[in-house]
Amino acid sequence: GEDVEQSLFLSVREGDSSVINCTYTDSSSTYLYWYKQEPGAGLQLLTYIFSNMDMKQDQRLTVLLNKKDKHLSLRIADTQTGDSAIYFCAESTSGTYKYIFGTGTRLKVLA
Amino acid sequence: NAGVTQTPKFRVLKTGQSMTLLCAQDMNHEYMYWYRQDPGMGLRLIHYSVGEGTTAKGEVPDGYNVSRLKKQNFLLGLESAAPSQTSVYFCASSYRTGSYEQYFGPGTRLTVT
Repeated sequence: GEDVEQSLFLSVREGDSSVINCTYTDSSSTYLYWYKQEPGAGLQLLTYIFSNMDMKQDQRLTVLLNKKDKHLSLRIADTQTGDSAIYFCAESTSGTYKYIFGTGTRLKVLA
Repeated sequence: NAGVTQTPKFRVLKTGQSMTLLCAQDMNHEYMYWYRQDPGMGLRLIHYSVGEGTTAKGEVPDGYNVSRLKKQNFLLGLESAAPSQTSVYFCASSYRTGSYEQYFGPGTRLTVT
């Protein structure tokens, strides 16, 4: 079946860039998403990319999509302690309810 | 707009007890979802609904029932709680067109002893 995989942990120093990676298997994915979950809270959408795009930039966030390799990445520039959270990659297929989440990457930002 | 709200925020049940979790959204979304989140397992879909009066099973439906009598509400029921149902439960909703991004509630932390 369809799957979305992420590494479980990432640790970076404050001010450095963070890169969180995700791979997916569903070639019919239409949209790919990055969600952020802070402790004790629900998931909050950070950004998304349509499957026919290669890159999307939104302030400190850059999303890169390699559709051939089914690889998605989220780069956070100038990472701050407030960016410490769990980041989930997800994909959906247009016209269906189907929405697959990865297991989440816990980002720890060291001061 | 309140977005997606969930009640209660916390609950402790004894094995065999029943309860209902309520999710409400004020964004006129067609799709609604119930997920559970367990350590190291990400989010797993329990049940979902594509419109008022319709429900369907997700990945892990056993032990749960749902109802969507009104478009804005999606109820998750546990008829006879088991310790394996100790988890954090999230409700989400989305439009059925466009970019389908899901909006999440704050979660309900359920402990079954």
